Amino acid sequence: DADVTQTPRNRITKTGKRIMLECSQTKGHDRMYWYRQDPGLGLRLIYYSFDVKDINKGEISDGYSVSRQAQAKFSLSLESAIPNQTALYFCATSDLQFSSTDTQYFGPGTRLTVL
Amino acid sequence: DAKTTQPTSMDCAEGRAANLPCNHSTISGNEYVYWYRQIHSQGPQYIIHGLKNNETNEMASLIITEDRKSSTLILPHATLRDTAVYYCIVTGEYGNKLVFGAGTILRVKS
Repeated sequence: DADVTQTPRNRITKTGKRIMLECSQTKGHDRMYWYRQDPGLGLRLIYYSFDVKDINKGEISDGYSVSRQAQAKFSLSLESAIPNQTALYFCATSDLQFSSTDTQYFGPGTRLTVL
Repeated sequence: DAKTTQPTSMDCAEGRAANLPCNHSTISGNEYVYWYRQIHSQGPQYIIHGLKNNETNEMASLIITEDRKSSTLILPHATLRDTAVYYCIVTGEYGNKLVFGAGTILRVKS
C-alpha cells in the first residue's frame, strides 16, 4: 500500500551496529505497528502504538526499541544488531475511526540482514 | 485470541473459484474472522473480515458457518496473480493483535 512507506527497503549490517528502520504513513491513522517475519513463518508483533503518547510491547520486543515521533512516523531501532534479527520487517497502520474494526494496512517491508 | 487451522497448501485452476477453508473452533462471541494474503514477500494485504454474517467485497466472499467454528474464503474467479499465502486470523473487536499462523499457500495454475 503506497500510503505506508518504509525506509530503507533493504539493509545489510554487521553484528553490534545500531540500526533504525523508519515507517511513514499518509493514511491519517492513529495506530501503528511493527512486525517481523522469518522465512516460511507468519508475522510476529514487535511493538505497537495507539497514539503518539502510547507505546506497547508486542510478542517479541526484546532487542528492539521504538519511537513514535509524530502521528505519521514510527521508527524501530535495533540497539545492537545480532544475526538472528535477520528478517523481513513490516510496518502497519490502522484506525478505529475509519472502520468499526481494527483493519491493518501494511507497508512494503524492509529486508534486514545482520552479518 | 482464538487459534486457527488452515491447510498447508492448495491448488486451483485459473478461472475457477478458489475455496480456502479455516477452522476456528474456539472462537468467542465478539471475535472477528479476518483474511489477509501475502504475495511473495510483499506486505500482507487485507482481503475481508466478518463476525457472523457472510460478507462480500470486490476481492472475495467470506462464508462463516452458523456456529462460527469455521469459515471459507472464496475467490470467485482465481487468476495467476492470486497465487499467495492466505492467512485466516481470529481477533477481537479491537483487533490490534493480529496473530499470523503459517497460512495456506494457494497456487493458481493455468
